[in-house]
Parts: sequence; C-alpha cells; structure tokens
Amino acid sequence: DAGVTQSPTHLIKTRGQQVTLRCSPKSGHDTVSWYQQALGQGPQFIFQYYEEEERQRGNFPDRFSGHQFPNYSSELNVNALLLGDSALYLCASSLLVRGESTDTQYFGPGTRLTVL
Amino acid sequence: TQLLEQSPQFLSIQEGENLTVYCNSSSVFSSLQWYRQEPGEGPVLLVTVVTGGEVKKLKRLTFQFGDARKDSSLHITAAQPGDTGLYLCAGDKAAGNKLTFGGGTRVLVKP
Repeated sequence: DAGVTQSPTHLIKTRGQQVTLRCSPKSGHDTVSWYQQALGQGPQFIFQYYEEEERQRGNFPDRFSGHQFPNYSSELNVNALLLGDSALYLCASSLLVRGESTDTQYFGPGTRLTVL
Repeated sequence: TQLLEQSPQFLSIQEGENLTVYCNSSSVFSSLQWYRQEPGEGPVLLVTVVTGGEVKKLKRLTFQFGDARKDSSLHITAAQPGDTGLYLCAGDKAAGNKLTFGGGTRVLVKP
C-alpha cells in the first residue's frame, strides 16, 4: 500500500523563476492538501484540493497555485520565486465523504525548495 | 501569530527522564493531532484526540485533550534517544478542514 509520494526531493531555483512540485496521494485517498514549512517552524496550510477544485485556501498570495488531476494526484506551482519561499513543501492526503474527513491526513516526505 | 502555541520550544533531557510538551490555544478544535517529525521527513501521526478530557496512551506516550478542547499535552515516560525529534500539535476545526499547526517542540534525549 503506497503512502504519499512527492517529487522532486530537493530543488534549487533562483529568484523570479517558477517551480512545480508534485504529489501522489495515499491509495484510496481523494483529497490533497499542501503545506509550507519554513526552517524551525510548524507547517502552514497553503490550500486543499478535492474533486479537482481548490476547496480551501490559507493566507498565501496568488503566486501559489495548484491543480488536481482525475487520478487525485496534485501539483503545486509557485511563480516569481522569492528568497522567502525557501522551505520544505509538504503534501498530505485524506479521504472526504460528503465533505467530511473519514481518515486523518497522511504526509509525504516533502520537497525541499531552496531559492537563491 | 500562532493559533496554537507549543511550549517549550526546545527540551533537552537525559535518557530515562520524563518530559511533557504543551499545546495551548484560545480556540476550540474538533480534534487535535500530535505528530513527530524527523529531519528531512514529513510529520508522522502519533495520535488523534477528539473528545474533551480524553486521554490516550501509546506505550510510553500519554496524550491528553483538555475538557474545553482548547489545549492538549504530550507526556513521555522514561524517554529514550529514539524519542528525539520535532513534536508538532495540529488542530482541526471541522472534519476535513485544514490543519493548524503549532510551532513545534524540539526534543533531544541524550544517552
């Protein structure tokens, strides 16, 4: 039973560039949430995707966008990268039934993004 | 401003000692989770508490949810070096909703 997988593991970009991170949810899960974890801090919620639509969004600018595919996998896109975007980006998957979670969120290993 | 405040931020103890980590908020949560995170990895779920006053035990770990569902604690008995890691509490205000994390408590258990 595959858990949550993310790619790539590490990424180095320069300011102003764009980046795409990928996530495959745990088998049987249909909902993907993305979190940003700066060094030494707890994760901060970016947004959540369900049924290929953004269901909820945290306090992040429009430079952060996402997508969910019919197979439930998801992408996180960040445009016009800033130094402050350097962080560990975590993907978490869960299962929603009639809008309510029937399972806890399981996290992937994360993608470490460094912006120079 | 963190909605969930964890204390202490850092804890260094000797093997065999006990420790308690606190997670406090002025908000009510429908459930609260505790995670442990190793360097370079994602958080791993330890426990979910949903009922006010609930106490859950996981071997040497004891988790408590406050009666008002605003706070929680994690107590480790006879800590071992393998308990070293970043402990995170996270609250969920409604089922299926986003998780709000505390800032984390870094625990170091020295042999």
